[in-house]
Amino acid sequence: NAGVTQTPKFQVLKTGQSMTLQCAQDMNHNSMYWYRQDPGMGLRLIYYSASEGTTDKGEVPNGYNVSRLNKREFSLRLESAAPSQTSVYFCASSEAKRGGNQPQHFGDGTRLSIL
Amino acid sequence: RKEVEQDPGPFNVPEGATVAFNCTYSNSASQSFFWYRQDCRKEPKLLMSVYSSGNEDGRFTAQLNRASQYISLLIRDSKLSDSATYLCVVNPSSSGSARQLTFGSGTQLTVLP
Repeated sequence: NAGVTQTPKFQVLKTGQSMTLQCAQDMNHNSMYWYRQDPGMGLRLIYYSASEGTTDKGEVPNGYNVSRLNKREFSLRLESAAPSQTSVYFCASSEAKRGGNQPQHFGDGTRLSIL
Repeated sequence: RKEVEQDPGPFNVPEGATVAFNCTYSNSASQSFFWYRQDCRKEPKLLMSVYSSGNEDGRFTAQLNRASQYISLLIRDSKLSDSATYLCVVNPSSSGSARQLTFGSGTQLTVLP
């Protein structure tokens, strides 16, 4: 059981380049998320998708776009990378039950450096 | 004020010690609370949910104080393998939706031999 799989694990880009981070989950979860983690800042939500076909902005969406391709896959795109987007990116998924007591399961992250 | 605040530490404790972390949250309507553990350069993993009545899982005990808006995690008989960063996580949604969680910056624990 793979859980949440992210690709690539590492990437170096030049300022202005574009790229897409891929995420797939095999737990049949409805909700998926993209976070970035910077030193001393904790995890910050970029975008989330409550269910297939819907996406919503999180706390720090500027400079990013997302696509919920199907129930399994949720991709994050940087159209024109900037050094401020150097970070570790985590994808997560969860059940979407009422009550809110559903934890999130994380992929092992993508370490992205923008030069 | 941050929505979720934690003492960043580091906490350096000897093996076998008892250590406690606190976390405060700002939204009194918050519904769900969790502790996650994150090892160096790894992804966060759920350690335990926090229930209103408090709950225990082996050497780990979590408590919730809604009146004071804080959550605690107690680790008894610390092991070397407990060394990690512990993240306090709160669902601030009054609707109970799991769509957005707010993560604290984490408390770093090192258990020394």
